[in-house]
Amino acid sequence: DTEVTQTPKHLVMGMTNKKSLKCEQHMGHRAMYWYKQKAKKPPELMFVYSYEKLSINESVPSRFSPECPNSSLLNLHLHALQPEDSALYLCASSQVTMGTDTQYFGPGTRLTVL
Amino acid sequence: QKEVEQNSGPLSVPEGAIASLNCTYSDRGSQSFFWYRQYSGKSPELIMFIYSNGDKEDGRFTAQLNKASQYVSLLIRDSQPSDSATYLCAVSYNTDKLIFGTGTRLQVFP
Repeated sequence: DTEVTQTPKHLVMGMTNKKSLKCEQHMGHRAMYWYKQKAKKPPELMFVYSYEKLSINESVPSRFSPECPNSSLLNLHLHALQPEDSALYLCASSQVTMGTDTQYFGPGTRLTVL
Repeated sequence: QKEVEQNSGPLSVPEGAIASLNCTYSDRGSQSFFWYRQYSGKSPELIMFIYSNGDKEDGRFTAQLNKASQYVSLLIRDSQPSDSATYLCAVSYNTDKLIFGTGTRLQVFP
């Protein structure tokens, strides 16, 4: 089983709003990721949590704040976003398969910032 | 800088033909190589990965890796219109980071 779930599927928010994206996996995966994807571009890594600790922050603006409350749950808190932050936000988790750390993506949250 | 390159396409093939998708990478330290399929508006779906030189087959899909030439390819046999999607090549250099290519758009016409 490689299911990663994300909520909500769609989110529309104003530039002064605070909202959160949620990601869950119940497969015991070691690492969880946040990616941002703009149209016709590849996914762009934002954050990585390994064993519930932040291991990679790809110089993401502070208006994006990740949180990993436990090994199954990953949140992305959003505050004072800009219209250019509108994108598909993808969560992924990874497990070792045949000696290779393999990432599996959730369905994504389509974010629109007005 | 580590780079992964793919032809953006579109690559158009008739139904039933073999589609060949290619990817080159810049860093010889690359460890594992992944192919993801992404339908428009959806998230990437893992098709297969490869880490040893040679071929790896899974159903209609075959991944080929040539580390000396630094390329990896994906062959899709008996292509179907449902295979029409963007195919992302990704390369890992350590266990937590993937470098993605820009993707190749495949169109399979009836």
